[in-house]
Amino acid sequence: SQQGEEDPQALSIQEGENATMNCSYKTSINNLQWYRQNSGRGLVHLILIRSNEREKHSGRLRVTLDTSKKSSSLLITASRAADTASYFCATVDTGRRALTFGSGTRLQVQP
Amino acid sequence: EAGVAQSPRYKIIEKRQSVAFWCNPISGHATLYWYQQILGQGPKLLIQFQNNGVVDDSQLPKDRFSAERLKGVDSTLKIQPAKLEDSAVYLCASSSKKQGNIGDTQYFGPGTRLTVL
Repeated sequence: SQQGEEDPQALSIQEGENATMNCSYKTSINNLQWYRQNSGRGLVHLILIRSNEREKHSGRLRVTLDTSKKSSSLLITASRAADTASYFCATVDTGRRALTFGSGTRLQVQP
Repeated sequence: EAGVAQSPRYKIIEKRQSVAFWCNPISGHATLYWYQQILGQGPKLLIQFQNNGVVDDSQLPKDRFSAERLKGVDSTLKIQPAKLEDSAVYLCASSSKKQGNIGDTQYFGPGTRLTVL
């Protein structure tokens, strides 16, 4: 079963703009991770944030986590055409080990 | 370091036929996962191995799907007989912590795209 929903389902922006994607989940988690999937390719791990963390940065990526609202956001700053992909949040639930993925946000960055 | 390898990349079969997928994880990775990704959805875990033992197969349709990981390295996933709704991309992933600790990063292969006609 899917863990939760990503919002928006699709996003189209111009190169250089920022892109923000949101993820909601339902259960108690150990950590939340974001993955990128280019068309027809496997998933690539972007960033992991633990349940006791509120914000994390990696290059042009910024992730926030609000466990009280069971939500997370991924911000991509100064987007590039190469950022065009689907982005998935995935949670590791407390007491489990495997990832539970959301339904994804399809990001299109126009050059 | 070589990534997760999967084969074949594409497979087209008719319903009620059998099919098998192969995965070779990153060397030394103790934990191996199989996911099913239906078009437009996120991946869904089918089965998780720790070395050659099954950790979680709660979402594996056991009447038609089976998986094994002999010797704790390569793994095969089989569907017999296939149904139309099995059309999906089958992703293999592996992670490194020997105990399969919570939160370890998973590395995904390119997937096998299965079309059932």
